[in-house]
Amino acid sequence: EAGVTQFPSHSVIEKGQTVTLRCDPISGHDNLYWYRRVMGKEIKFLLHFVKESKQDESGMPNNRFLAERTGGTYSTLKVQPAELEDSGVYFCASTPVAVGLNTEAFFGQGTRLTVV
Amino acid sequence: GENVEQHPSTLSVQEGDSAVIKCTYSDSASNYFPWYKQELGKGPQLIIDIRSNVGEKKDQRIAVTLNKTAKHFSLHITETQPEDSAVYFCAATRHAGGTSYGKLTFGQGTILTVHP
Repeated sequence: EAGVTQFPSHSVIEKGQTVTLRCDPISGHDNLYWYRRVMGKEIKFLLHFVKESKQDESGMPNNRFLAERTGGTYSTLKVQPAELEDSGVYFCASTPVAVGLNTEAFFGQGTRLTVV
Repeated sequence: GENVEQHPSTLSVQEGDSAVIKCTYSDSASNYFPWYKQELGKGPQLIIDIRSNVGEKKDQRIAVTLNKTAKHFSLHITETQPEDSAVYFCAATRHAGGTSYGKLTFGQGTILTVHP
């Protein structure tokens, strides 16, 4: 069974440009989470989808970030326009039910975003 | 919201020695505490977890202890091997039903280096 897949694995863009990250969760997993790790700090929650609905987007930094999950399958995270402080590693995770209810969160390999 | 502190930030041990990583959390309602290992170029992978109704859990060379009163939990790795070298993250969350439904709060990470 394929795991959580993210692409691109690495993206370098200039300040002011737009970047779209994609996450394909494990098939059948209704819950999809986006996280970000900035400059060697902790991994921080961004938002949580249940199927195509946003359950919790309290971690989204600002309105330059837009996440979608049309059809409840893969998700995209768009940053527009990108700023220097957006650099970091963006992780996606999926679970069949909410983390903590006898299941684990499976993480993708991450997308390293560098804004120059 | 939940806050998780993790120490130390770096840990260097000789092969065969034990390694201990400690975390404290702030939200007494948190009841699920996973530990993740992240190897270079890969996403975080669950290595062990513990729930609030258990004080200790062991899986071969790794063990986790939880002290709910003091709100801290620790990862213990015995007989360390070079392949244990990685970044380790602790995390905390609350079961479904609360506002932190399915959202993991991570510690800052510990870079473990095991020298042959």
